Amino acid sequence: DAKTTQPNSMESNEEEPVHLPCNHSTISGTDYIHWYRQLPSQGPEYVIHGLTSNVNNRMASLAIAEDRKSSTLILHRATLRDAAVYYCILRDGGKLIFGQGTELSVKP
Amino acid sequence: DTGVSQDPRHKITKRGQNVTFRCDPISEHNRLYWYRQTLGQGPEFLTYFQNEAQLEKSRLLSDRFSAERPKGSFSTLEIQRTEQGDSAMYLCASSSFRDEEKLFFGSGTQLSVL
Repeated sequence: DAKTTQPNSMESNEEEPVHLPCNHSTISGTDYIHWYRQLPSQGPEYVIHGLTSNVNNRMASLAIAEDRKSSTLILHRATLRDAAVYYCILRDGGKLIFGQGTELSVKP
Repeated sequence: DTGVSQDPRHKITKRGQNVTFRCDPISEHNRLYWYRQTLGQGPEFLTYFQNEAQLEKSRLLSDRFSAERPKGSFSTLEIQRTEQGDSAMYLCASSSFRDEEKLFFGSGTQLSVL
């Protein structure tokens, strides 16, 4: 079973920042927090991952709470191409277990 | 490198037939994963390999499903005696030992069982 909880859907306006929340209250000390996204008719795509510190890459930023029981994926300026299902995932042994994710819609 | 490749993209079969899917991972990626996804759901883990060794198989996976990765490169997923409930998108992913946290997914094989 997925170990994370996310809202089913969120809406954003184009060129505005988006904050996608995720709760993972049962996280262990060595679990990385992963984010993937899935565009329509495509396989999931890696976005970012982190352990304790906040992380930035060209796609997004990941803000991790001090107690690590929650995290937020930040898209700094949403574009129409960012409309996708975003998955927050913890590793379970050697594999990633996906939940249902958050469906992000972006309005022009 | 063109990424993870899956073949075929679409497969339509009749109930009771056997089907086989192929996945070619990114070159030199030692881990290979199979997932299944139905409409409106997140991908469901099926099994994964490290090189040619199958390290884990989902306990939810029927005995009709078998996967191989004989030379530690490409992998095949076979479903015997297909059922309508097997209709789904079958996704393959690979990762490198240098960065196991980052999986690269293919576009999937869409299976329809009539």
